[in-house]
Amino acid sequence: EIVLTQSPTTMAASPGEKVTLTCLASSSVNYIYWYQQKSSASPKLLIYYTSSLASGVPDRFSGSGSGTSYSLTISSMEAEDAAIYYCLQLTSTPFTFGSGTKLEIK
Amino acid sequence: QVQLKESGPGLVQPSQTLSLTCTVAGFSLTSYNVHWVRQPPGKGLEWMGVIWNTGGTRYNSALKSRLSISKDTSKSQVFLKMNSLQTEDTATYYCARDGEQPFDYWGQGVMVTVSS
Repeated sequence: EIVLTQSPTTMAASPGEKVTLTCLASSSVNYIYWYQQKSSASPKLLIYYTSSLASGVPDRFSGSGSGTSYSLTISSMEAEDAAIYYCLQLTSTPFTFGSGTKLEIK
Repeated sequence: QVQLKESGPGLVQPSQTLSLTCTVAGFSLTSYNVHWVRQPPGKGLEWMGVIWNTGGTRYNSALKSRLSISKDTSKSQVFLKMNSLQTEDTATYYCARDGEQPFDYWGQGVMVTVSS
């Protein structure tokens, strides 16, 4: 099973601040997918194939990485970005999610 | 408009079987895969399994012995059955579609509590 380790577990950012979240895989994966979950809502796809922006997602979000190291960047934090962010790998089953990063607004 | 909606009992007794239905609209189950994902209260997401558009299935090995996923394409419904429920199975259960991108649409989720 591929384990995805996300860091930090929790962080707070000020409006306008650049934010970088990390997802490390225990084995090399082909791509990473990023999801945003607010409060008790369903997760929402943000980034697919590591760096492609999902439809309707603001372009302040971007993804990068390869092999075992991936990141999600928010170029300029906004209040509406406060949420939990999960990475996901679909390279091998069981498909696995990271444990999440909780991002708060300062 | 693509929609998925989970339904099922909110409360299940320990050792009993959970049966959930995911009713979809706006797409055909013969063309798209549907996954089940669960989330215990205050915790992260766990992939449970998938039913491919072809009807084949793949399960999380941690749940494989207890889990079954099936579908009725004519009714646009996907079914999850999991037996021998324990308190640690208390969670919100989601179905999600593999569309143009993986897990591009999710249902609202259904909360299931395992308790006597």
